[in-house]
Amino acid sequence: DIQLTQSPSFLSASVGDRVTITCRASQAISNYLAWYQQKPGKAPKLLIYAASILQSGVPSRFSGSGSGTEFTLTISSLQPEDFATYYCQQLNTYPRTFGPGTKVDIK
Amino acid sequence: QVQVVQSGAEVKKPGASVKVSCKASGYTFTAYTIQWVRQAPGQRLEWMGYITGNGNTKYSQNLQGRVTITRDTSASTAYMELSSLRSEDTAVYYCSREMIFGVAPFDVWGQGTLVTVSS
Repeated sequence: DIQLTQSPSFLSASVGDRVTITCRASQAISNYLAWYQQKPGKAPKLLIYAASILQSGVPSRFSGSGSGTEFTLTISSLQPEDFATYYCQQLNTYPRTFGPGTKVDIK
Repeated sequence: QVQVVQSGAEVKKPGASVKVSCKASGYTFTAYTIQWVRQAPGQRLEWMGYITGNGNTKYSQNLQGRVTITRDTSASTAYMELSSLRSEDTAVYYCSREMIFGVAPFDVWGQGTLVTVSS
């Protein structure tokens, strides 16, 4: 199975901050990576797929980059509604594994 | 609008089975794969399996033999049944639709179904 790690595990930030989350895969997965946002008690929400394609309706302050084994999710200017946990997911092979999550909290 | 709506919370005893439903609306049910994912308390998301638009299935090796995914096309509903339940199966179970795209993410998610396994 492909293992995903994320860093940091926890991030404390202020409204307006630029935030970057990294996801690393245990083997190369081309650009077959998605990012999801999850708020407490809610289902995950798709933000980005194919490493850098913004899902319809997702604000442009979210962006993704990377290929191979290292990927980043960037929020250019953190908004109050962005405080949540973010997960990466590899789409290269089955099982479709997820990262452990990065919780973004209010400073 | 496009949505998938899941059945309600369940409480089961160890050794029992649970069957969770996922009703799709707003799109052609047989054109999309339905994926199942679970999340134990405080844990990461775990992929469980899928059923394709033409009824093919694939399951996680970790759950092989205990999980069965079926569907009723006339009701636009998919089902996930997990047997021989253990306390470790306590989790929120999600169904989701797989996007039509080369290598596709999961773009529409159900609200989740809490399954609690307790004696």
